[in-house]
Amino acid sequence: AQKVTQAQTEISVVEKEDVTLDCVYETRDTTYYLFWYKQPPSGELVFLIRRNSFDEQNEISGRYSWNFQKSTSSFNFTITASQVVDSAVYFCALSEEVLYNQGGKLIFGQGTELSVKP
Amino acid sequence: NAGVTQTPKFRVLKTGQSMTLLCAQDMNHEYMYWYRQDPGMGLRLIHYSVGEGTTAKGEVPDGYNVSRLKKQNFLLGLESAAPSQTSVYFCASRPPLGRGNTEAFFGQGTRLTVV
Repeated sequence: AQKVTQAQTEISVVEKEDVTLDCVYETRDTTYYLFWYKQPPSGELVFLIRRNSFDEQNEISGRYSWNFQKSTSSFNFTITASQVVDSAVYFCALSEEVLYNQGGKLIFGQGTELSVKP
Repeated sequence: NAGVTQTPKFRVLKTGQSMTLLCAQDMNHEYMYWYRQDPGMGLRLIHYSVGEGTTAKGEVPDGYNVSRLKKQNFLLGLESAAPSQTSVYFCASRPPLGRGNTEAFFGQGTRLTVV
């Protein structure tokens, strides 16, 4: 079965602190994609990153970095030097491919609400 | 380029009434999804479709039906609305994995209240 777990429901940090959001996933497929989305208070869902199951290289984009480890089925997200504008709910998601008309689900974790205080 | 458009954006229903939420995408995506978002529950998949004329159940399908008669549209129906269906509904679309940009694009959401 396909499952995404974000164990941290809420995180509160002070501006300029580093913060890591955890994501653990379960899947039986060998081909899959992992995603992170941001949902600011305005409510829209903003795409941050995708990673396919064959690429375990870590990625850095400005203050954001992602650590993908297949051995522990984790895809963690770190914000360095957090800012008030980073306050949002962050979702991790998993998608499997369609094979023989089965699959294709895009499943989200429960989200982590990050609050960055000045 | 409109992306994913949901109609309506807000709606108040009385218990027992029916309604249809429309999701339209102009990116020629094969896959489409309907989610509901409730406080503390994240985004839960209601139904999804991997192609025109095909639909499948997600995590919380009870009380909802869907149809995908045209590739660009994915309809979510509530036959007899219940207060438990008060939620924010999101539609998303994406191409199959491996075909270029595989991110899911989301609509702006529909806030539904059932009284």
